[in-house]
Amino acid sequence: GNSVTQMEGPVTLSEEAFLTINCTYTATGYPSLFWYVQYPGEGLQLLLKATKADDKGSNKGFEATYRKETTSFHLEKGSVQVSDSAVYFCALSERGYQKVTFGTGTKLQVIP
Amino acid sequence: ETGVTQSPTHLIKTRGQQVTLRCSSQSGHNTVSWYQQALGQGPQFIFQYYREEENGRGNFPPRFSGLQFPNYSSELNVNALELDDSALYLCASSRGDNRGAGANVLTFGAGSRLTVL
Repeated sequence: GNSVTQMEGPVTLSEEAFLTINCTYTATGYPSLFWYVQYPGEGLQLLLKATKADDKGSNKGFEATYRKETTSFHLEKGSVQVSDSAVYFCALSERGYQKVTFGTGTKLQVIP
Repeated sequence: ETGVTQSPTHLIKTRGQQVTLRCSSQSGHNTVSWYQQALGQGPQFIFQYYREEENGRGNFPPRFSGLQFPNYSSELNVNALELDDSALYLCASSRGDNRGAGANVLTFGAGSRLTVL
């Protein structure tokens, strides 16, 4: 079946540091890939997505590139802010299937 | 546009009881999915509703059931509650069709936190 593996957290960074959160996936077909973010006390919000190989999703300074050869979708940001502190979930969904499969989440804490 | 709203936000039940959680989907969305998020884990797919019918189900027992109404709002019912049912229950709406196309870009509510004692 499909699965998503994320690096374990928590990840603690100083403000303006570079962020990478690793994500790899297993899927039988050609999934769409997502990053969702969950701020404290809130539901998940879509951060970015990519629907085919070599696509780059980007939003709010975050980027991730769909790498089919390495089955990866790593999240990056060049300069994190305190307001980026949240839990980040990598996810996938195969076309024609109803469910979205999530990773276990990576907690990011950015300190001033 | 209004987002996804869920109620109640918190509730406490005892083992063996039944619970109903409610969800209003985002305006313009016709599909509702329910997810269970245990503490420290990612959301797990329970089921999805499209046009008032179940349109896909995850690995959850039949005591988890749902409804979707003509206005696309939805309910999640859990019977015979067990301690392991304690979790955050997330409702997500999307705009899709019965093949799932387009239904994977989800807008989530803030969730209903269920504690089973």
